[in-house]
Amino acid sequence: EAGVAQSPRYKIIEKRQSVAFWCNPISGHATLYWYQQILGQGPKLLIQFQNNGVVDDSQLPKDRFSAERLKGVDSTLKIQPAKLEDSAVYLCASSLDQSRGDGYTFGSGTRLTVV
Amino acid sequence: AQSVTQPDIHITVSEGASLELRCNYSYGATPYLFWYVQSPGQGLQLLLKYFSGDTLVQGIKGFEAEFKRSQSSFNLRKPSVHWSDAAEYFCAVGGTQAGTALIFGKGTTLSVSS
Repeated sequence: EAGVAQSPRYKIIEKRQSVAFWCNPISGHATLYWYQQILGQGPKLLIQFQNNGVVDDSQLPKDRFSAERLKGVDSTLKIQPAKLEDSAVYLCASSLDQSRGDGYTFGSGTRLTVV
Repeated sequence: AQSVTQPDIHITVSEGASLELRCNYSYGATPYLFWYVQSPGQGLQLLLKYFSGDTLVQGIKGFEAEFKRSQSSFNLRKPSVHWSDAAEYFCAVGGTQAGTALIFGKGTTLSVSS
């Protein structure tokens, strides 16, 4: 089966600019996650979708970050305006059924550098 | 609070030697536990997972992990390390209810010396 697709792979922007990341999960996976992985740290959950509804966005900096999952499939994560501390790898993951404790399948991530 | 601790930031093992990566967790309910591996520039790949039953679980690439409830640990082991095992390893804990996404540790970087 095809994996989780993310684009772009790399992005360099100046602070205060905006940026958007795209994720296409595995077909049929109801749950989609966005994680932020800062260098030297483990991934931190930003937002979790179940189909096209938000389940948990408690750690999403809502003053600058936004995310949506249209039609319960693809998802976009946006940062506006970006700060230097947003430099990180943004990982998208999906799982078939969280209620069964399925593991996640991760995309390769988008590496964002804010200068 | 729910958390995962990986005490070792960096470990170096000789090729062919055995490996054990430590993971301790704090979780209110019965946890579901995972180990992921991340090679440079790649996403995370699931090595193995524990839900219930036999506390010794087998994973891909010859890895295994043992769940010890009394010690709140889920250590990863491999009898003989190969140079290709050099990567970053993450332990994660989660639940099956909506809104209980995986919580990851900070990771352990494994280097393999020849």
